[in-house]
Amino acid sequence: QQPVQSPQAVILREGEDAVINCSSSKALYSVHWYRQKHGEAPVFLMILLKGGEQKGHEKISASFNEKKQQSSLYLTASQLSYSGTYFCGTEPNTGNQFYFGTGTSLTVIP
Amino acid sequence: DSGVTQTPKHLITATGQRVTLRCSPRSGDLSVYWYQQSLDQGLQFLIQYYNGEERAKGNILERFSAQQFPDLHSELNLSSLELGDSALYFCASSVGTPGVSGANVLTFGAGSRLTVL
Repeated sequence: QQPVQSPQAVILREGEDAVINCSSSKALYSVHWYRQKHGEAPVFLMILLKGGEQKGHEKISASFNEKKQQSSLYLTASQLSYSGTYFCGTEPNTGNQFYFGTGTSLTVIP
Repeated sequence: DSGVTQTPKHLITATGQRVTLRCSPRSGDLSVYWYQQSLDQGLQFLIQYYNGEERAKGNILERFSAQQFPDLHSELNLSSLELGDSALYFCASSVGTPGVSGANVLTFGAGSRLTVL
């Protein structure tokens, strides 16, 4: 039931782009994305509802393909502050469980 | 400050003991979630409450129990502690109203770090 994320880890140089994928085996109502810095609590980035929408926040955007039960997070022109672990979270169409994905560690180096 | 308050922040105890972690949700939020995060691991869903009632259950051990009180604060009780229970325990809250778009956006507390020796 836990969504699977890929890649598990990625190292980028400042200014490079990255894509993080999230895949669920369940039909989804929504997908959330959170970022967690080391030793801190996860912080909400954005939510995508079924309907295939794409959202963006500055240089971070995401898409949701409800037919494939997949979401992708796009980080463009990465900055040092983007470093952290990214988790997707999924709300199924039925049932109440909210599960976080396996996590993707992103490290941006100068 | 996220508005979600967790106490204690740090707790060191011995195997076999029992501890209680407390969470006060953000003002206006009716739903409380508990997650366990072991060292450099993911967020394991334990349990969710909505307005005082259990709403969803994840991989919560029988030695663990939780409840949400009428004032909406929640407590997670961990008993017969084992070394493997050492982890960061997060509480998160959300509006939680069924059918409302974005009602389950989670706001996390700072966590309670439990060390079992």
